Amino acid sequence: GIQVEQSPPDLILQEGANSTLRCNFSDSVNNLQWFHQNPWGQLINLFYIPSGTKQNGRLSATTVATERYSLLYISSSQTTDSGVYFCAVEVNNNDMRFGAGTRLTVKP
Amino acid sequence: EAQVTQNPRYLITVTGKKLTVTCSQNMNHEYMSWYRQDPGLGLRQIYYSMNVEVTDKGDVPEGYKVSRKEKRNFPLILESPSPNQTSLYFCASSLYEADEQYFGPGTRLTVT
Repeated sequence: GIQVEQSPPDLILQEGANSTLRCNFSDSVNNLQWFHQNPWGQLINLFYIPSGTKQNGRLSATTVATERYSLLYISSSQTTDSGVYFCAVEVNNNDMRFGAGTRLTVKP
Repeated sequence: EAQVTQNPRYLITVTGKKLTVTCSQNMNHEYMSWYRQDPGLGLRQIYYSMNVEVTDKGDVPEGYKVSRKEKRNFPLILESPSPNQTSLYFCASSLYEADEQYFGPGTRLTVT
């Protein structure tokens, strides 16, 4: 089946720093989403981005479907950005596959 | 407000005692699914439903049942829960199967 790899697995930043999270996938996908799981366990939908670039405030994402990767950019990070960021892809059989996540800790 | 709701949010139960976790969405979405999240294993799909009366197995369906009698509701049923079903469960919905998914707040289940 499709493999979804996220990097780095852990990231520690100082407040105000910028970061890039990467998601590689091994096959063509129907869609791709980025989620943020906050420290209380809630999953928040960040971007639905099967291709192209989107921006929402300090966050932006780019997916290059032909090269099978997606990037999530976080600028001017804040402590509330802490948590785990998941990339999820949908394959042809309606199955969504999640990466293992990147655990981000933003220190004040 | 457009949302996916799950109940209960927290549940501690004993082995073998049947339980149901409800999931409801108010966005008229056709596609709904259930996931479990476990440390080291990430999120895995249990069951999904493409429309009313249409359900199918995901990655880890063993020990679970679902039903989709109405568009808005997609309950997850554990007929005889076991400790290996202790997990964090998420329900999600989207307008169609290949579309943006919206997640519920999660249900933390402990089976002793």
